[in-house]
Amino acid sequence: NAGVMQNPRHLVRRRGQEARLRCSPMKGHSHVYWYRQLPEEGLKFMVYLQKENIIDESGMPKERFSAEFPKEGPSILRIQQVVRGDSAAYFCASLPGLADYNEQFFGPGTRLTVL
Amino acid sequence: SQQGEEDPQALSIQEGENATMNCSYKTSINNLQWYRQNSGRGLVHLILIRSNEREKHSGRLRVTLDTSKKSSSLLITASRAADTASYFCATVPDSNYQLIWGAGTKLIIKP
Repeated sequence: NAGVMQNPRHLVRRRGQEARLRCSPMKGHSHVYWYRQLPEEGLKFMVYLQKENIIDESGMPKERFSAEFPKEGPSILRIQQVVRGDSAAYFCASLPGLADYNEQFFGPGTRLTVL
Repeated sequence: SQQGEEDPQALSIQEGENATMNCSYKTSINNLQWYRQNSGRGLVHLILIRSNEREKHSGRLRVTLDTSKKSSSLLITASRAADTASYFCATVPDSNYQLIWGAGTKLIIKP
């Protein structure tokens, strides 16, 4: 049973470009969280998605950032017109369901560098 | 804002010694979880303790939870160099489904 997969693992973008980060949850998991982590800091919640539904996007900036989790395919975190401050590690984690207050399964992360 | 706060921020001990990390939180919780992160890697779940539990063990790990003080501790006994990592606590509040994260404790085990 493959774990949570994220790609790319490393992404370099120039200011103003778009960054697209992908997350494939564990098999059977229908809920995905996205987090952002700056060096030497903890995780900051960004968005919580169920397939075809955004449950909570309160941690995500209202501009330039969007997320989706389609019925088929991976969850996508999209950052438009990237700025240097977007440089960070972005992690996704998956869960089997909303009511399941158990562990989250993390992917290896995507490290975004904005030049 | 982050609910969990770990202390110390950094801890350096000799291999074989015990390592204790603490976590405090603010609101009532459903459960509290500890995760480990090796440098440059994703997070790995270590242990979950529910609000009605006071102590839990898993191998060399011992977690305690004091809901009256809103605090938890993670004890790693007989530490090994491979335990070097950052350790995070995360809480699931009663009224929410999110994990709320602390800033972590950086643990260094000297061989």
